[in-house]
Amino acid sequence: GAVVSQHPSWVICKSGTSVKIECRSLDFQATTMFWYRQFPKQSLMLMATSNEGSKATYEQGVEKDKFLINHASLTLSTLTVTSAHPEDSSFYICSAYKPGQGVETQYFGPGTRLLVL
Amino acid sequence: QKEVEQDPGPLSVPEGAIVSLNCTYSNSAFQYFMWYRQYSRKGPELLMYTYSSGNKEDGRFTAQVDKSSKYISLFIRDSQPSDSATYLCAMTYSGYSTLTFGKGTMLLVSP
Repeated sequence: GAVVSQHPSWVICKSGTSVKIECRSLDFQATTMFWYRQFPKQSLMLMATSNEGSKATYEQGVEKDKFLINHASLTLSTLTVTSAHPEDSSFYICSAYKPGQGVETQYFGPGTRLLVL
Repeated sequence: QKEVEQDPGPLSVPEGAIVSLNCTYSNSAFQYFMWYRQYSRKGPELLMYTYSSGNKEDGRFTAQVDKSSKYISLFIRDSQPSDSATYLCAMTYSGYSTLTFGKGTMLLVSP
């Protein structure tokens, strides 16, 4: 399977600061990447769909000005949590579609654990 | 009613047992059905993928889809302690639609 990496794997920050999380497809070009959030013992909730070279599409209830997504290249998407607050503490996971193949080729990154103090 | 329902468990079984994990869903438009395994503090990895109804087998894993009942299952034979993880079902409408996940079932296989 393909490899998707995330950086950092975990981060602790103070309330009010901004945090940037990177998602990279290491061995393929991904025109579409997804960002999910997962709270303890809860399912993955899709936050937004990130398309290379265009604006991200956010799911209902997700503040686009708070969760800034940039997909500037075919191998990199970034999620910036602006003015983070304790309630933003969660596990953030990205995934990437490998083009030319089917639904089974959505590969997930290892996740980034964010703790806002 | 949520789109995808999955019992969160935990489900505890002894090593060697046959495990049955299930999801129900409400939207009959779903066509693709996946099972992911997620170890603690890791991202999900795809285990099985099925299109429409039917069975699919891969080693110790068998996935079943019953679209008439809106019910999908994952069976694990000869379960091993290394199978201990959270199993998430997911489904989508078409090959490039977004995935809708269940909450995940935590499985614990004791030696």
